[in-house]
Amino acid sequence: AQTVTQSQPEMSVQEAETVTLSCTYDTSESNYYLFWYKQPPSRQMILVIRQEAYKQQNATENRFSVNFQKAAKSFSLKISDSQLGDTAMYFCAFMKHGSFQGGKLIFGQGTELSVKP
Amino acid sequence: KAGVTQTPRYLIKTRGQQVTLSCSPISGHRSVSWYQQTPGQGLQFLFEYFSETQRNKGNFPGRFSGRQFSNSRSEMNVSTLELGDSALYLCASSPGLAGGSDTQYFGPGTRLTVL
Repeated sequence: AQTVTQSQPEMSVQEAETVTLSCTYDTSESNYYLFWYKQPPSRQMILVIRQEAYKQQNATENRFSVNFQKAAKSFSLKISDSQLGDTAMYFCAFMKHGSFQGGKLIFGQGTELSVKP
Repeated sequence: KAGVTQTPRYLIKTRGQQVTLSCSPISGHRSVSWYQQTPGQGLQFLFEYFSETQRNKGNFPGRFSGRQFSNSRSEMNVSTLELGDSALYLCASSPGLAGGSDTQYFGPGTRLTVL
């Protein structure tokens, strides 16, 4: 069975600074996908970034980037130039690849990020 | 495109009752997944439907069931409600074509309180 672990329950960062959220996972699969989602106080789950395991290049979306270390089973999220709107719970998630594995995201416990002015 | 919609947004029920939650996916998406979010257990996968068929199922008792209609809208039903069923229920949709490995887009959730 796959597991996802986020070891930092809470973090805080000053506005405009950079912060890195950690995530490790355990799987015997070779082909899979990893995601970061954010859930602000509104509770709406929003996709931040997606990484395909077969790609060596780290995914980037504007101020958000990941450090994907497949051998170490590590998938950290870096937020640059933090903004007040980045305040949210961040979830790391794993999904197997392939048919009949459909639609099942396995989530970590989340990291609550506070961006302070 | 309109996002994923869920109705109702809030529900209060009493133990022993049953409840039905509804989810309308993004237009063109054929896969709908359901998740339960609680402070204690976090986010847990309930089930996934694709083209009116349940394609994957999590570890929940049979009191939790779902279905999907030909227009891809999905409902989940919880019978004989227990206090522990109080949770935020999230629905997510995806195109469903990439072997079930598409990115999922979430709705705003239904907050269920069982008294």
